[in-house]
Amino acid sequence: DTAVSQTPKYLVTQMGNDKSIKCEQNLGHDTMYWYKQDSKKFLKIMFSYNNKELIINETVPNRFSPKSPDKAHLNLHINSLELGDSAVYFCASSQGTAHTQETQYFGPGTRLLVL
Amino acid sequence: AQSVTQLDSQVPVFEEAPVELRCNYSSSVSVYLFWYVQYPNQGLQLLLKYLSGSTLVKGINGFEAEFNKSQTSFHLRKPSVHISDTAEYFCAVSGRSSASKIIFGSGTRLSIRP
Repeated sequence: DTAVSQTPKYLVTQMGNDKSIKCEQNLGHDTMYWYKQDSKKFLKIMFSYNNKELIINETVPNRFSPKSPDKAHLNLHINSLELGDSAVYFCASSQGTAHTQETQYFGPGTRLLVL
Repeated sequence: AQSVTQLDSQVPVFEEAPVELRCNYSSSVSVYLFWYVQYPNQGLQLLLKYLSGSTLVKGINGFEAEFNKSQTSFHLRKPSVHISDTAEYFCAVSGRSSASKIIFGSGTRLSIRP
């Protein structure tokens, strides 16, 4: 009965590989997000989707492509992985469309290590 | 655009002592303010948020924060901390327009000493 779940929890891979991280929320929320947290704990938003529509697309390399098959899922695909992609990636969700004031519910994170 | 500064990267405190974690923000428009907590190896969870109304906001686990518009601050306080409060605390700010996005501070690590 986890609210926001992510798979996998840990991902160790070689430079140049392509990988995906999956996120699912069972809260019935309309908006989902991807964040990147670097080694200094700095947390930055990457993407936000509302009802499967992209509403926030920060300046991230186009190697990162989010996909939302339905409003309960937001997956992140990363092509040609680089060392600098090593980080913890968090998925989050919030209710409604007024995302600026809504509480965000975070998943447990996916720890990506690129070797 | 908004920005947020957490002045202390680490705050060590003895158990049962009071604590204040500082947060200052910058914005040319009205904002919403948040404090999130991240326990080790977990995602963030909301402690409290200020949307409007009373400037003193009470949250979970005995935490509270006060919105001070003149000082552009939103400091987090707890009168008596427990070992279980050991975590990373993030202040965040968001503008009120639909085009805004939430901006997180760099975090403050609260470590509780017995």
